[in-house]
Amino acid sequence: GAVVSQHPSWVICKSGTSVKIECRSLDFQATTMFWYRQFPKQSLMLMATSNEGSKATYEQGVEKDKFLINHASLTLSTLTVTSAHPEDSSFYICSAGQAYEQYFGPGTRLTVT
Amino acid sequence: QKEVEQDPGPLSVPEGAIVSLNCTYSNSAFQYFMWYRQYSRKGPELLMYTYSSGNKEDGRFTAQVDKSSKYISLFIRDSQPSDSATYLCAMRGTGTASKLTFGTGTRLQVTL
Repeated sequence: GAVVSQHPSWVICKSGTSVKIECRSLDFQATTMFWYRQFPKQSLMLMATSNEGSKATYEQGVEKDKFLINHASLTLSTLTVTSAHPEDSSFYICSAGQAYEQYFGPGTRLTVT
Repeated sequence: QKEVEQDPGPLSVPEGAIVSLNCTYSNSAFQYFMWYRQYSRKGPELLMYTYSSGNKEDGRFTAQVDKSSKYISLFIRDSQPSDSATYLCAMRGTGTASKLTFGTGTRLQVTL
């Protein structure tokens, strides 16, 4: 149980375009999902907390107009990187909370050229 | 000072060794403690989570929490090459939406 999937697993896009990443909880309902980014050999940095049916809460320094988060249902949250630039290239990981445990998706590697 | 301190390693041990991974923290509001294993270019996988001070064992893994010292450990017995990964400690306060605070991760290499 407690499986979280992400799609796509890897995406390359051109600078200036937008990319949408999906995060799904496959076998449980997740009222809260979290989005992280991770640079090589660094730990996970929380970007935002996504609650079903309400606006996401962004961490300090994260541009909410650039990283659009939508949590439309109890099993799906999406992160859209708008007008992506090379500095947005990173590993994006979502997690879904269940009780006091969070389960992570496999991650999405974004490369902006 | 970071809220969670973790030696980034790398830590290299021979197969069969006992591995000790540690984190210290400064925020006494942290009540739940987790250890995640992350293989390269994969998402973290939950290994252990504990609440109380003391030991919790699961197979070859033992998680230890000392809240009085603000110190947590993960022990891996009979280490295998497949244990080679980055191990992240994480902790949180109470509340189902309380966010996780991660250590930087320790990279472990188990050699044949």
